[in-house]
Amino acid sequence: QSALTQPASVSGPPGQSITVSCTGTSSDIVNYKYVSWYQQHPGKAPKLMIYGVSNRPSGVSNRFSGSKSGNMASLTISGLQAEDEADYYCTSYRSNSTLVFGGGTKVTVL
Amino acid sequence: QVQLQESGPGLVKSSETLSLTCTVSGGSIRNYYWNWIRQPPGKGLEWIGYIYYSGSSNYNPSLKSRLTISIDTSKNQFSLKMSSVTAADTAVYYCAGGDGYNLENWGQGTLVTVSS
Repeated sequence: QSALTQPASVSGPPGQSITVSCTGTSSDIVNYKYVSWYQQHPGKAPKLMIYGVSNRPSGVSNRFSGSKSGNMASLTISGLQAEDEADYYCTSYRSNSTLVFGGGTKVTVL
Repeated sequence: QVQLQESGPGLVKSSETLSLTCTVSGGSIRNYYWNWIRQPPGKGLEWIGYIYYSGSSNYNPSLKSRLTISIDTSKNQFSLKMSSVTAADTAVYYCAGGDGYNLENWGQGTLVTVSS
């Protein structure tokens, strides 16, 4: 099944805000409020950062926020910090009751 | 906090069957969806499939013909079998638990290499 579309890389200086986009279709993002975002540091397992489009699990910094409009979901990291440098993946629930990942975005803190 | 641990052979021969088990501790295997995800070296994540504690399952359509995911609630374990593997199946395999829409708890991952 085809993946959701993410930019390969996004960067920004410390303290600034960046946004990572995730583009889907009417089979996933458009019609479902089940978009999640995961952070993965090198050699580590992914960590859930956002679920249900815009909800943060307990313990996740409020500098991370999520939103959705039409076929695009977004992850915004405000007050960028060195520890935020990682790969970020979006997922969405799909109409065939499966999950689909985005290709991943490397976030670099300049 | 639920913890997950993958186990199984790190080396599988081409055309044979890959078998992995995930052991769940610190919580019940009931009332959760149990997933397998993989990540080829240097590449992105791919969802493989899930099984519910009742035994119902669903798979990635692109892999479905080669997959079986099963669950043993008495052992708090669930398993993955992938048949007819090739070098393209070389990856870190993760198990993860969630509500069917999110992957809340992850194992540390295990590297499986397919050799010719």
